[in-house]
Amino acid sequence: NAGVMQNPRHLVRRRGQEARLRCSPMKGHSHVYWYRQLPEEGLKFMVYLQKENIIDESGMPKERFSAEFPKEGPSILRIQQVVRGDSAAYFCASSPSRAPNGEQYFGPGTRLTVT
Amino acid sequence: GNSVTQMEGPVTLSEEAFLTINCTYTATGYPSLFWYVQYPGEGLQLLLKATKADDKGSNKGFEATYRKETTSFHLEKGSVQVSDSAVYFCALSEEGGSYIPTFGRGTSLIVHP
Repeated sequence: NAGVMQNPRHLVRRRGQEARLRCSPMKGHSHVYWYRQLPEEGLKFMVYLQKENIIDESGMPKERFSAEFPKEGPSILRIQQVVRGDSAAYFCASSPSRAPNGEQYFGPGTRLTVT
Repeated sequence: GNSVTQMEGPVTLSEEAFLTINCTYTATGYPSLFWYVQYPGEGLQLLLKATKADDKGSNKGFEATYRKETTSFHLEKGSVQVSDSAVYFCALSEEGGSYIPTFGRGTSLIVHP
């Protein structure tokens, strides 16, 4: 019974490169959430997706960031032209439904370092 | 909008000491409340939850009671262990909208032998 999987666990990119972060939700979960955690700060919501749909992207920066959750395959968070300020831990969580008393299941995170 | 406020850390305790981490919230409706724990280098794990007023969530010796009158959900443990050293996040999820949870900033707990 695999949990939420994220890869890579660590990613190093030079300024201006693209970063692709992958998230495979728990089996049977069709709701995926992406969060960013900056050093010494809490979790900041970025985007909420269901299969093939973006439900809420209110936490996503308007430029350079995009996310998708295709019918087949993992959810992907893409950061184009990375800058040093993008260095953070990015966490994916999944849930089976939108119910308010439905907790989320988190992956181990991808730690992005921009040099 | 919704918000969660946690006491600032780090909280430093000796093994077997009593732990309280304060959490208060602001919400427009009737949220569910959660405590998550993050061990070093890992993702968040759900520790406990409560879905309505006066509910008590408990797990692994930790407990928290949903207090609507004081809008609080304080985390307590009677006797902490070194292995409890982690960052603890209080969160709420409210009915309506997209149910995106709102997280507190996290409180770091350090337990010394």
